[in-house]
Amino acid sequence: QLQLQESGPGLVKPSETLSLTCTVSGGSISSSSYYWGWIRQPPGKGLEWIGSIYYSGSTYYNPSLKSRVTISVDTSKNQFSLKLSSVTAADTAVYYCARVNRFYGMDVWGQGTTVTVSS
Amino acid sequence: DIQMTQSPSTLSASVGDRVTITCRASQSISSWLAWYQQKPGKAPKLLIYKASSLENGVPSRFSGSGSGTEFTLTISSLQPDDFATYYCQQYNSYFSWTFGQGTKVEIK
Repeated sequence: QLQLQESGPGLVKPSETLSLTCTVSGGSISSSSYYWGWIRQPPGKGLEWIGSIYYSGSTYYNPSLKSRVTISVDTSKNQFSLKLSSVTAADTAVYYCARVNRFYGMDVWGQGTTVTVSS
Repeated sequence: DIQMTQSPSTLSASVGDRVTITCRASQSISSWLAWYQQKPGKAPKLLIYKASSLENGVPSRFSGSGSGTEFTLTISSLQPDDFATYYCQQYNSYFSWTFGQGTKVEIK
């Protein structure tokens, strides 16, 4: 059974870079059928797609975050990662990773990790 | 960018009620629409994909319909486990995926 697990610091200072990793277990990140994505949810608010990556390294980013976002993949570790630079309090959120399929949407999600931006 | 608008934002209903949530896209997305259920403190769960296809393991009381710009999620007989927030999401393009703002289904 495929599982995704987010990891990374729970507290980041303003203007610094947020870094998270999603570890995929029970399946290969190199599957040709899937992309892998990051989604966030500020406290009490809705879901926002951040971006997605294919195992080959092709990336797609939310235009509103594109200038600050980098998503990368490490197939040898079955992981993909998110970096969000120049963070502010508005970036405080629960960050989720998910498996993304062109036909089925986001069918497997990690449990989410809370990141707070504060000095 | 494609904008997704859900209505209502909040819905009060009783167990056994038929519930309908609407999602409108700012431009045609064919049938590239998914519905998710989210409970407090939990990750979203995929319910419906391609507008009307039921994800494996999802109860048949959930159904989706629509194409183009107008979509609906229907719960035929609301159960206690269904009180949650529901999100639509368009995936017309790999380049930009968008969620609706959510509909909270509350106990009346």
